Amino acid sequence: AQSVTQPDIHITVSEGASLELRCNYSYGATPYLFWYVQSPGQGLQLLLKYFSGDTLVQGIKGFEAEFKRSQSSFNLRKPSVHWSDAAEYFCAVGPEVSSNTGKLIFGQGTTLQVKP
Amino acid sequence: DAGITQSPRHKVTETGTPVTLRCHQTENHRYMYWYRQDPGHGLRLIHYSYGVKDTDKGEVSDGYSVSRSKTEDFLLTLESATSSQTSVYFCAISAELGGVEQYFGPGTRLTVT
Repeated sequence: AQSVTQPDIHITVSEGASLELRCNYSYGATPYLFWYVQSPGQGLQLLLKYFSGDTLVQGIKGFEAEFKRSQSSFNLRKPSVHWSDAAEYFCAVGPEVSSNTGKLIFGQGTTLQVKP
Repeated sequence: DAGITQSPRHKVTETGTPVTLRCHQTENHRYMYWYRQDPGHGLRLIHYSYGVKDTDKGEVSDGYSVSRSKTEDFLLTLESATSSQTSVYFCAISAELGGVEQYFGPGTRLTVT
């Protein structure tokens, strides 16, 4: 069965520090991978996506993620965190092969808190 | 940003009353989805649509129905709202089925008292 695990429920970093959010997936085929960010009271905004090719992908707001097939991981990174990055971050993989719905499978999310 | 709006954005209703949530898109995307987001459960798919008048169930469809009479509108109806349907509901759209990013609306916070 396909699944996504975000091992860290909550992370706190200081403003200006580097950030890495972990994402591990289980998927029977070549995955399509996504990172979304959700600010309080808002919808999910796509940060970046990986379909194929270069395993290091760049996204919006200075984020990047690296696909590592051998580790089944797609970790999100940012060199220097800003206070406005405080939000909840979701990793997703798709599509769900068994259901043929096009459904994305989401991790449980990681809440990022930024200390001044 | 993708042109997706949801209405209403907030609603409080009583148990047993019908409720309809609307998702409207201006992207002319074929696929539309309704998710609910609950603490500890992440995002769960309720129903999806793969074209006008073409809909199917997701993983938590009991108590919900949908309709899509136009490409741009996808309606979610709770025929008789229950407290367990208190949640935040998100609509999403995508241009293709699977393997392509989904864009999300701003959400509707529904409280059933």
